[in-house]
Amino acid sequence: EVQLVESGGGSVQPGGSLRLSCGASGFIVSSNYMTWVRQAPGKGLEWVSVIYRGGSTNYADSVKGRFTISRDNSKNMLFLQMTSLRAEDTAVYYCARDLDIDTGAFDLWGQGTMVTVSS
Amino acid sequence: QSALTQPASVSGSPGQSITISCTGTSSDVGRYNLVSWYQQHPGKAPELIIYEGSKRPSGVSNRFSDSKSGNTASLTISGLQAEDEADYYCCSYAGSSTYVFGTGTKVTVL
Repeated sequence: EVQLVESGGGSVQPGGSLRLSCGASGFIVSSNYMTWVRQAPGKGLEWVSVIYRGGSTNYADSVKGRFTISRDNSKNMLFLQMTSLRAEDTAVYYCARDLDIDTGAFDLWGQGTMVTVSS
Repeated sequence: QSALTQPASVSGSPGQSITISCTGTSSDVGRYNLVSWYQQHPGKAPELIIYEGSKRPSGVSNRFSDSKSGNTASLTISGLQAEDEADYYCCSYAGSSTYVFGTGTKVTVL
């Protein structure tokens, strides 16, 4: 079955760090364009980061310099390392697969993992 | 990057057609033919329903269609059904490997 499963969410204090994981099955992460999207409670979707097949990455201005997207090809997994977390980073984080380069056509999503940043 | 503007809510009766607008700028919606649309039911992950100008993933109903004029894209749902009640989001490529989502529209089937 083709699917994505996120893990690693939880509660953390402001200024803390957290690493989200996204395990893929049924397809190869490194052969696809993968992205992270988040959704604050009761709010809309916000694109966070992308990693291309070749390994290049990009980030939304709101997380640039604090978040790092990466992947482990041997484990077929995607990661999001989050540091210097702020209250406004509280959200459900989804990993998703892009159908092709720079299309924004995210055809496969995980179930999401909740991150709560609070003191 | 500012979110694309969508109406907060749209409603219609079963069998009717409704249209959701998605207004961006000449740097995103107006520049690229790369607008996608997502349906999200409560507590669920978003689901891709339209991409790259009226392309639909396998299994998505042809009752969903889209169009674009200038900086505004629109999603039309024809023959509205109870199962269409959900939140809908547009998304556009915004250049330089970035994307921007819309503010979201809650569709209510009366």
